[in-house]
Amino acid sequence: AQSVSQHNHHVILSEAASLELGCNYSYGGTVNLFWYVQYPGQHLQLLLKYFSGDPLVKGIKGFEAEFIKSKFSFNLRKPSVQWSDTAEYFCAVSLLGTYKYIFGTGTRLKVLA
Amino acid sequence: DGGITQSPKYLFRKEGQNVTLSCEQNLNHDAMYWYRQDPGQGLRLIYYSQIVNDFQKGDIAEGYSVSREKKESFPLTVTSAQKNPTAFYLCATQARGRTDTQYFGPGTRLTVL
Repeated sequence: AQSVSQHNHHVILSEAASLELGCNYSYGGTVNLFWYVQYPGQHLQLLLKYFSGDPLVKGIKGFEAEFIKSKFSFNLRKPSVQWSDTAEYFCAVSLLGTYKYIFGTGTRLKVLA
Repeated sequence: DGGITQSPKYLFRKEGQNVTLSCEQNLNHDAMYWYRQDPGQGLRLIYYSQIVNDFQKGDIAEGYSVSREKKESFPLTVTSAQKNPTAFYLCATQARGRTDTQYFGPGTRLTVL
């Protein structure tokens, strides 16, 4: 069965530290890849997405992610986090040819001021 | 703001009662989804609908039912057969085209007493 794994369930960083959140998926076909973020008390919203082309994609608020097809990975990065980045981050995969999304279990990030 | 409306924000019900959660959208999106979010488990798909009068079961459909009589509306009923209904429920929409982003509503937190 298809699945999405997020390795870090809880991450605590100090402001200005660099961030990398891991995401791996298991599916041999073509996929679209997403990172969503849920700030405290807010809607789940799109951070960035990869459909095709340049495997390094940039999103809002200085986030970027790199798709490495050979590793089935789509890791999220930010060079310098801010207190306002405190949120829960979800990796998701949509399978080409379907309307179905598969979400990872999420990573709770806490940034200390 | 417009977009996706879920009501109510908080809902309390006694065990054994059916309850219906509302999801309305004014984005003119074809596809609509219901997810359940539990701590440490990410988002799990309950039901989805690609078109009016048609819907498919997701990964955890047991104990839930839906209808899609109008494009704008996709209500979810949590029946008494659902063994552990207390959770946060999210509705999402997606425009036509299987590569499009999903957009999420604010969610309904259901507590069964």
